[in-house]
Amino acid sequence: EVQLVESGGGLVQPGRSLRLSCTASGFTFGDHAMSWFRQAPGKGLEWVGFIRNEFYGGTAEYAASVKGRFIMSRLDSKSIAYLQMNSLKTEDTALYYCVRGGGVHKRYSGSYPNWYDRWGQGALVTVSS
Amino acid sequence: QSALTQPASVSGSPGQSITISCTGTSSDVGTHNYVSWYQQHPGKGPKLIILDVRNRPSGVSNRFSGSKSGNTASLTISGLQAEDEADYFCGSYTASSSYVFGTGTKVTVL
Repeated sequence: EVQLVESGGGLVQPGRSLRLSCTASGFTFGDHAMSWFRQAPGKGLEWVGFIRNEFYGGTAEYAASVKGRFIMSRLDSKSIAYLQMNSLKTEDTALYYCVRGGGVHKRYSGSYPNWYDRWGQGALVTVSS
Repeated sequence: QSALTQPASVSGSPGQSITISCTGTSSDVGTHNYVSWYQQHPGKGPKLIILDVRNRPSGVSNRFSGSKSGNTASLTISGLQAEDEADYFCGSYTASSSYVFGTGTKVTVL
């Protein structure tokens, strides 16, 4: 059974950093891009970005709202994806989901998942003084 | 990037069919077939129910079907059941390669 378990959430002050982890099981982690989404309380879903698997270069793409502040990485030997969040703002307060990417299509900047098919339960990040 | 437009709510009686629209532009929904639909029950993570406009992942009921015409994608739920009561979001890539969601639709089973 595919499982994605996020950890590392919590309360953090504006301007500080936090790192989320996503531990995967039940599938070949290295075959998939891994993505992060977030959902602010009572709001809709927002794509944060994704990291390609090594076959497609292992590079990441980010939403404009987090580019330059958030960094995605992965450790395929342990099936873990990371989201390093720096210079946090109050508007980053949200439930953060780790999500597996599926399918591949090519765009100008590289390969992208066609869809996002398995979601974790989320990790709550609260940015407040 | 603006969110895709969905009706705030749709309702139907058990056994009926309902359709949820997802309206974008020629820069997102209208430009490719990488449109997905997600179902989200309260307090749960989203679940992918339609990928690539009209395909169902393994294990998803065939009561769910997707289509697209121009800049508008649609999700139809046939034979509405109580367990279908949830929030539904569409998702699509944009021309600038970001990923945008719809505003969300709350489905109520009367």
